[in-house]
Amino acid sequence: DGGITQSPKYLFRKEGQNVTLSCEQNLNHDAMYWYRQDPGQGLRLIYYSQIVNDFQKGDIAEGYSVSREKKESFPLTVTSAQKNPTAFYLCASSPSMAGDQPQHFGDGTRLSIL
Amino acid sequence: GENVEQHPSTLSVQEGDSAVIKCTYSDSASNYFPWYKQELGKRPQLIIDIRSNVGEKKDQRIAVTLNKTAKHFSLHITETQPEDSAVYFCAAANSGNTPLVFGKGTRLSVIA
Repeated sequence: DGGITQSPKYLFRKEGQNVTLSCEQNLNHDAMYWYRQDPGQGLRLIYYSQIVNDFQKGDIAEGYSVSREKKESFPLTVTSAQKNPTAFYLCASSPSMAGDQPQHFGDGTRLSIL
Repeated sequence: GENVEQHPSTLSVQEGDSAVIKCTYSDSASNYFPWYKQELGKRPQLIIDIRSNVGEKKDQRIAVTLNKTAKHFSLHITETQPEDSAVYFCAAANSGNTPLVFGKGTRLSVIA
């Protein structure tokens, strides 16, 4: 879905380093989400945001932080507290937070530890 | 909160055969059930969805059925082709301010 852009596509993290994953959408969606996907696993929700300057923890928020200063942007920071960060990270958005709306996904960022 | 169980976790079918993936949900208030297809290394893409006011929806070779009483819904793919090989995820949500809850996925392999 060309409306959601994640960057970079690949990212490497050193021990003790914080890294930030970018997610930008031009769909004018209010709600945005971050998911973590491990090999052979499903989608686990890290954080979500209903509106600018508001966000909530998902199922696996420990070791991650987010901000939502602009409607179109929802960056995810993987902190040094996240001891096992290697995974595929997906950003998504939907028109509103109402659960009965489809989510549109970006192409993902693959994070690895050096 | 909502819990979605998906079965089977892996499925292999011969090209041309049908494939069926089943999901159950726990929250009777859920009223929206999308299905996503994720090819290797790519983004999940919505392929079909159904709302609780209908029991079945079709789009060419794919269909979804919903049984609200039993709280389960299924994805049916007919005349499978090699390009149908992917991981399929079901999800459920209600109209409140809670995110979609995803199943753990089914890896479908279509053998030519």
